[in-house]
Amino acid sequence: EAGVVQSPRYKIIEKKQPVAFWCNPISGHNTLYWYRQNLGQGPELLIRYENEEAVDDSQLPKDRFSAERLKGVDSTLKIQPAELGDSAVYLCASSLGETSIDTDTQYFGPGTRLTVL
Amino acid sequence: AQKVTQAQTEISVVEKEDVTLDCVYETRDTTYYLFWYKQPPSGELVFLIRRNSFDEQNEISGRYSWNFQKSTSSFNFTITASQVVDSAVYFCALSGRGSWGKLQFGAGTQVVVTP
Repeated sequence: EAGVVQSPRYKIIEKKQPVAFWCNPISGHNTLYWYRQNLGQGPELLIRYENEEAVDDSQLPKDRFSAERLKGVDSTLKIQPAELGDSAVYLCASSLGETSIDTDTQYFGPGTRLTVL
Repeated sequence: AQKVTQAQTEISVVEKEDVTLDCVYETRDTTYYLFWYKQPPSGELVFLIRRNSFDEQNEISGRYSWNFQKSTSSFNFTITASQVVDSAVYFCALSGRGSWGKLQFGAGTQVVVTP
């Protein structure tokens, strides 16, 4: 079974440029998460989707970050414009969903390492 | 508020030694789940184990074992007979009923296993 797929794996951009990350979750997983991991720290949740609905976006900096999951499958996270402090690894994860609470483990993709110059 | 503390920044061992990783958590939820993830140099977080707050039974799975003690809010993880492939950053994480779906991670512990 394929795991969580993310692209690109690496991205280098100049500050003020836009950037987008793509994620395809594990087949059948209804819940999708975007995390940001700064160097030397644990991941921090940015946004969580239940199917196509964003149910927790309290940590998403909405002035420059946006996300979508239009058909409830794959998702895109965008930053516009990027700032130096956005340099981090952006991780996507998926899980079956809250209806399977005892087995609702999050499985992570390889991440996209963003460098803003 | 939830908080996970991994006080050990880095642990270095020689192959075949045992490694124990400490994790202390804080939560007001009465129902919660604790996790350990491994992040090798490739960057992908790999799920290792999950425990719910009602089950303090400690178990062994292959070379992995864990010690969950609610009285001290600790969820320690041990790798027995370490191997070079165990070299990675290990994260302890918490998910509580009050904020279900949001994993609160610790800062991670770097494990270096040398031959």
